Amino acid sequence: SQTIHQWPATLVQPVGSPLSLECTVEGTSNPNLYWYRQAAGRGLQLLFYSVGIGQISSEVPQNLSASRPQDRQFILSSKKLLLSDSGFYLCAWVNQDRLMNTEAFFGQGTRLTVV
Amino acid sequence: AQSVTQPDIHITVSEGASLELRCNYSYGATPYLFWYVQSPGQGLQLLLKYFSGDTLVQGIKGFEAEFKRSQSSFNLRKPSVHWSDAAEYFCAVSLPGSARQLTFGSGTQLTVLP
Repeated sequence: SQTIHQWPATLVQPVGSPLSLECTVEGTSNPNLYWYRQAAGRGLQLLFYSVGIGQISSEVPQNLSASRPQDRQFILSSKKLLLSDSGFYLCAWVNQDRLMNTEAFFGQGTRLTVV
Repeated sequence: AQSVTQPDIHITVSEGASLELRCNYSYGATPYLFWYVQSPGQGLQLLLKYFSGDTLVQGIKGFEAEFKRSQSSFNLRKPSVHWSDAAEYFCAVSLPGSARQLTFGSGTQLTVLP
């Protein structure tokens, strides 16, 4: 069966420090991968998505970047965190071969607090 | 512009009462429609989805939703709410064949009173 791992679950980082959040998927190949951010009291905002290795689409200009070094690995990064980067980050995947069944599967999320 | 609207930020109901959460979308074509639930500090779990066919769809945990094309709505319902249903609920849409994937509403926080 397919599973998605996201870590760490919680993270407290000082302003100006770097960030690296990792997401890996098991049990499927060539998935579409997504990073969402959920700010307190707000909905989910799509940050990045990837349809293949090295292919990254950015939805909004921001202090973050994403990379996909392997088929089932998706990394969210920042060189210098801002206070406004605090939030709940969710990784998700969709089976690219079944675009008629576009259900997304989510990781458990990372709670990032920038202090 | 394409959008998803959940007009109710917070809803409070008593246990055993019926529930309806509203969702409206604005898209050029009929999108795929989803409802997800999020428990505190957790990821999202799919409740139900609509792609085509019967406009009344059944989901997990006793939830159902009805797609109304004329109203561009996809409201979530449950006849009798349980205390464990307290969570945040998100409506989402995606365009068929689009890799961009889900656009979410802002969510509705559900509180269940004993």
